[in-house]
Amino acid sequence: KAGVTQTPRYLIKTRGQQVTLSCSPISGHRSVSWYQQTPGQGLQFLFEYFSETQRNKGNFPGRFSGRQFSNSRSEMNVSTLELGDSALYLCASSLVWGTGELFFGEGSRLTVL
Amino acid sequence: GESVGLHLPTLSVQEGDNSIINCAYSNSASDYFIWYKQESGKGPQFIIDIRSNMDKRQGQRVTVLLNKTVKHLSLQIAATQPGDSAVYFCAENAPGNAGNLLTFGGGTRLMVKP
Repeated sequence: KAGVTQTPRYLIKTRGQQVTLSCSPISGHRSVSWYQQTPGQGLQFLFEYFSETQRNKGNFPGRFSGRQFSNSRSEMNVSTLELGDSALYLCASSLVWGTGELFFGEGSRLTVL
Repeated sequence: GESVGLHLPTLSVQEGDNSIINCAYSNSASDYFIWYKQESGKGPQFIIDIRSNMDKRQGQRVTVLLNKTVKHLSLQIAATQPGDSAVYFCAENAPGNAGNLLTFGGGTRLMVKP
């Protein structure tokens, strides 16, 4: 069974641009969560989706948004990029909602110049 | 607010020895804890979890201990192997947080010396 797939794996943007990251969960998993990982702040929860509905949102500005499609695939978008948005963005899926057993992808590493 | 932290940022052990990674939490109402392992270039990988109605749970070569009195949990790895070298995170699904919202600690890097 294929794992969580995130694309692109690496990308470089400049300040003010926007970026869209994609996540394909494990087949059959309906819950998708997004986390930001930086050396300074560690792993921080962004948002999670279940059945195309955002169920929780972390403490990030409105420039960070996401959505989930009917096939459970998810995208997150960051608009008006800032230098501090440089990070590894991790997507995780789970079979059920309300579990701590998340299956993470390898992440999308975003560099903002 | 709730927080999950770690005592030591780096732990170096000899291959074959047992490893103990510690984690403290601040919210006495926290009731669900999870350990993750992250190898270089990969996403975190679930290791084991424990709920507050237990004080010990065992997996394959790993044991998690929960001490609610002092709000502390630990991950013990038996017979540590080079493949165990990674960063280990404890995480908390804080009470009142429905869903998969996890709060992660800062991580401990485990280095296994051959």
